Amino acid sequence: GPKVLQIPSHQIIDMGQMVTLNCDPVSNHLYFYWYKQILGQQMEFLVNFYNGKVMEKSKLFKDQFSVERPDGSYFTLKIQPTALEDSAVYFCASSFPQTNTGQLYFGEGSKLTVL
Amino acid sequence: QQQVRQSPQSLTVWEGETAILNCSYEDSTFNYFPWYQQFPGEGPALLISIRSVSDKKEDGRFTIFFNKREKKLSLHITDSQPGDSATYFCAASGSNYNVLYFGSGTKLTVEP
Repeated sequence: GPKVLQIPSHQIIDMGQMVTLNCDPVSNHLYFYWYKQILGQQMEFLVNFYNGKVMEKSKLFKDQFSVERPDGSYFTLKIQPTALEDSAVYFCASSFPQTNTGQLYFGEGSKLTVL
Repeated sequence: QQQVRQSPQSLTVWEGETAILNCSYEDSTFNYFPWYQQFPGEGPALLISIRSVSDKKEDGRFTIFFNKREKKLSLHITDSQPGDSATYFCAASGSNYNVLYFGSGTKLTVEP
């Protein structure tokens, strides 16, 4: 089936550093999402993105977070500066725009460890 | 405020039994309810979904029962297999750009 690819699969950085998580969404999809999951627990919505703009974001999407997809390349999540509580697995997802029922396809996650 | 709640947190059944996973939600504008299956180290994958206009959706051994009035739904897995051992997430979506709100998951273990 359709695949969402995420790079890197795991990154370890020091607190205060910047990190960029990359997502290659399904080719014809137009909606993109980032979710945060801690220790295999609940998937928490961070942000979604469409047509070059953030459409909705949650309280977890702090000012230190930003997303972009320059020129149809990777959809990225940047955290600058990172904090200890940012340690989690970040999942990218994409969907085709079907009203209310567009299936989200998830990548395998990028595990971020902030020391 | 947690929009989607799941119970139990973990469930163990024997091979061949029926596993019942429960879910409830708060927001009455939610109208699409997918269940995602996640294996360790992998991303969630869509298992089965239902829209609020239906009260039942069946796909092989997996069935969703939906009660709109009570804002509850459940996933029934009949003839459970060890390969079904995974974490199952109930999710819900309304009209806002397909954003899915997930429950906290039920970790299912099927013992042979």
